[in-house]
Amino acid sequence: AQSVTQLDSQVPVFEEAPVELRCNYSSSVSVYLFWYVQYPNQGLQLLLKYLSGSTLVKGINGFEAEFNKSQTSFHLRKPSVHISDTAEYFCAVSEGLIPGGTSYGKLTFGQGTILTVHP
Amino acid sequence: DTGVSQDPRHKITKRGQNVTFRCDPISEHNRLYWYRQTLGQGPEFLTYFQNEAQLEKSRLLSDRFSAERPKGSFSTLEIQRTEQGDSAMYLCATRRGGSSQETQYFGPGTRLLVL
Repeated sequence: AQSVTQLDSQVPVFEEAPVELRCNYSSSVSVYLFWYVQYPNQGLQLLLKYLSGSTLVKGINGFEAEFNKSQTSFHLRKPSVHISDTAEYFCAVSEGLIPGGTSYGKLTFGQGTILTVHP
Repeated sequence: DTGVSQDPRHKITKRGQNVTFRCDPISEHNRLYWYRQTLGQGPEFLTYFQNEAQLEKSRLLSDRFSAERPKGSFSTLEIQRTEQGDSAMYLCATRRGGSSQETQYFGPGTRLLVL
C-alpha cells in the first residue's frame, strides 16, 4: 500500500517570493510521482510527473520538483510565484512497473496544500 | 478544459434518493477512473475501467455504489439510497492505454450535496 503526506496544509507567500511545497511518500514498490493543481471549482490539472531518469523534473507554469529516493520526498518548488498561482496543490503516487505485476495506475493523493499568494 | 466532461456539475438531493453521474472521456482514452474528494482532503480512488471491464474497486465503494461503462466510452456512477456522508466531489479521470505512466486527465467533477 502507498501513502502520501503533504507536510503543510496551507502556505501563504508574497508575490515574486520563492515557494516550496513539501511531499513525502511511503511505498513498498517503485512509484511514479505526480503534482496536480486544482483551481476553485475545477478539476485537477497535471503540473509535472516523475517516472524515471533525472531526479529534477520541470513542469508547466515554471514549477519544478526533485525526487529524492533516500528521503522518499518529491518537493515542489517555484523560484518566483505569481498571484495566479493561488490554488490547491496535490502530490500523488501510483505504483510503478514491477515484474509480473499489474499496475492499473490508480493515484493515491496527499491531503493537499493550499498556496495563497499575496500582493 | 481537459476534454473530459462530467454531468451534472452540481447535484442536491435528499437522503435516501438515488443519483447518477456521467463521465465522457477523451475519445481515444480507454482507461477510466472514478475518485471521490471530500472537503479538505485529496481525491480517493473508487474504481477503474479498462474499456468496458471494471478491473478494480476500492473498499470505499459500498454496495450502494455501482459504476458502469457499457460500451467502453462514457461511464456512469450511481449511488443508491444516498446518505449525508456521500456528500463530496466525484471526479472522473481518463488516460490512454499502455503503461500507467500515461497522464490521467481529470474532468471538472460533480459536486453532490445530500440533505
